[in-house]
Amino acid sequence: KAGVTQTPRYLIKTRGQQVTLSCSPISGHRSVSWYQQTPGQGLQFLFEYFSETQRNKGNFPGRFSGRQFSNSRSEMNVSTLELGDSALYLCASSLPGADEQYFGPGTRLTVT
Amino acid sequence: SQQGEEDPQALSIQEGENATMNCSYKTSINNLQWYRQNSGRGLVHLILIRSNEREKHSGRLRVTLDTSKKSSSLLITASRAADTASYFCATPMDSNYQLIWGAGTKLIIKP
Repeated sequence: KAGVTQTPRYLIKTRGQQVTLSCSPISGHRSVSWYQQTPGQGLQFLFEYFSETQRNKGNFPGRFSGRQFSNSRSEMNVSTLELGDSALYLCASSLPGADEQYFGPGTRLTVT
Repeated sequence: SQQGEEDPQALSIQEGENATMNCSYKTSINNLQWYRQNSGRGLVHLILIRSNEREKHSGRLRVTLDTSKKSSSLLITASRAADTASYFCATPMDSNYQLIWGAGTKLIIKP
């Protein structure tokens, strides 16, 4: 089975712009979670989707949003980018009811 | 927010030695998971231990869990250069939809 894929792998944006990141889960995995990883804050949960519904959301401003499509693929969007949004954004998928998560390689976002 | 602390923050050992890292957490859990991350890439699930288990093995990995102390340890035996990575513990929140992460231990294996 193919693993979790994320596109793009690297992205450079300017303050004030918006960005969309994409995640394709492992086939059969219907839960997709997003995390932000920074040197200062570590790994922080953004949100989780299951069957196109957001089930849980972390403590991030409304500029961070996401969605999930019927094929379980997910996107996250960050509007009005700030320098502090520079981070590695990780997507993970899991089987329904399973505890283990399978991660993609991440998207490295740099905001200048 | 982070669930707990991991120590040490960094660990450097010789190849062939054993490496032990610890994780403490704050709230009650139903399982605790360990993940490995190689230099800023995606995380790889290593092992999961449930709250009713005290010890679990997987290859060269041994995990213990002490729920009374709210702590877990990960032991890597006979370390190899390929074990150089950051190691994170994670616990699910009540809903199980969200993992809360420790700060991680950066392990360096010297040849």
